[in-house]
Amino acid sequence: GNSVTQMEGPVTLSEEAFLTINCTYTATGYPSLFWYVQYPGEGLQLLLKATKADDKGSNKGFEATYRKETTSFHLEKGSVQVSDSAVYFCALMNTGNQFYFGTGTSLTVIP
Amino acid sequence: NAGVTQTPKFQVLKTGQSMTLQCAQDMNHEYMSWYRQDPGMGLRLIHYSVGAGITDQGEVPNGYNVSRSTTEDFPLRLLSAAPSQTSVYFCASIHPGADTQYFGPGTRLTVL
Repeated sequence: GNSVTQMEGPVTLSEEAFLTINCTYTATGYPSLFWYVQYPGEGLQLLLKATKADDKGSNKGFEATYRKETTSFHLEKGSVQVSDSAVYFCALMNTGNQFYFGTGTSLTVIP
Repeated sequence: NAGVTQTPKFQVLKTGQSMTLQCAQDMNHEYMSWYRQDPGMGLRLIHYSVGAGITDQGEVPNGYNVSRSTTEDFPLRLLSAAPSQTSVYFCASIHPGADTQYFGPGTRLTVL
């Protein structure tokens, strides 16, 4: 079957710290992988995506590389800001536009 | 484009009441879906539709009905609300051939 597992939160970092949020997946076939971000009181917004193995998605200083050999799609950012405080969801899309989401990781960045 | 819109933003119901959560999109997307978001459980798919007149069940469909009479609208009906349906509900849509899902702002529902 299809499933996504991401690291438990919450995560609290100081401004300018390095961020890693781990995400691993189980899927049949060749899924596309996504990171979505949810700011307080809002819906989910696409942060970045990768559609095939070894692709790197990037946006707003965040990066994630599609690793088929380790079935992973870890999110990284070199220097977080207070404005990055949000909940981050890893997701995969498989055949038929079916999405599967992880449970979300809450990030708080303190000045 | 307004994107994906949802109404209402907040709703409080009593057990046993019925209501409809509205969802509309103006991007001519064929695929639409409803999720519920609960703490520690991420997003779970309730129902989805691949086009007007076609709907199917997701992971947690019990207690919910949907219909898709037009491409634009995809309402979610709670027939007899239960406290277990207290959640935040998100509607989303995807354009065929694309692989990005667009989300509405959500409806926060409390069932007393």
